[in-house]
Amino acid sequence: AQSVTQLDSQVPVFEEAPVELRCNYSSSVSVYLFWYVQYPNQGLQLLLKYLSGSTLVKGINGFEAEFNKSQTSFHLRKPSVHISDTAEYFCAVRQGGSEKLVFGKGTKLTVNP
Amino acid sequence: DTAVSQTPKYLVTQMGNDKSIKCEQNLGHDTMYWYKQDSKKFLKIMFSYNNKELIINETVPNRFSPKSPDKAHLNLHINSLELGDSAVYFCASSQMRTTHNEQFFGPGTRLTVL
Repeated sequence: AQSVTQLDSQVPVFEEAPVELRCNYSSSVSVYLFWYVQYPNQGLQLLLKYLSGSTLVKGINGFEAEFNKSQTSFHLRKPSVHISDTAEYFCAVRQGGSEKLVFGKGTKLTVNP
Repeated sequence: DTAVSQTPKYLVTQMGNDKSIKCEQNLGHDTMYWYKQDSKKFLKIMFSYNNKELIINETVPNRFSPKSPDKAHLNLHINSLELGDSAVYFCASSQMRTTHNEQFFGPGTRLTVL
């Protein structure tokens, strides 16, 4: 069965510092990869997605992620975070041919002044 | 315009009661989903319907019964509510058989069972 591992449950950083949120998935077949953000008391919003092609994917709010097939990873990065980036971030994977989206357990990013 | 909407936003009820949560999408999608997010923020799919047909049915107690009157609506009915049902329930929708099948989420319904 498909699984997604987000290695860090909490990541505290200072404002304007760079951040990387890690995500690894288990699959030997083609996958589609997603990062969603959940602000406090809100629903999920798509940050970015990898479908095919270039392994570096750019999303909204200055976030980007790199798909690494050999390491089965899809880490999320931002070069300089803002207080407003404080939220829960979820990595998700969908196996080709399946409608099922499997989520990681989330990483809580806290940006401090 | 709200793409995926859910009602109610908050639901507080006693153990043993029966309750329903409604979901509507105006994106023209043909597939809808229900997810449960527990107190540790873990998100797990419960059900999915495509054109009113059940296509995903995870290991969920049969007290939970989804109903899709049309492809724009997917309601969730829960019988005999238990304390462990307390969670945030998210509805989502997507268009099946597109390349990425991106799912759009509703704002969630926070269910508290006392």
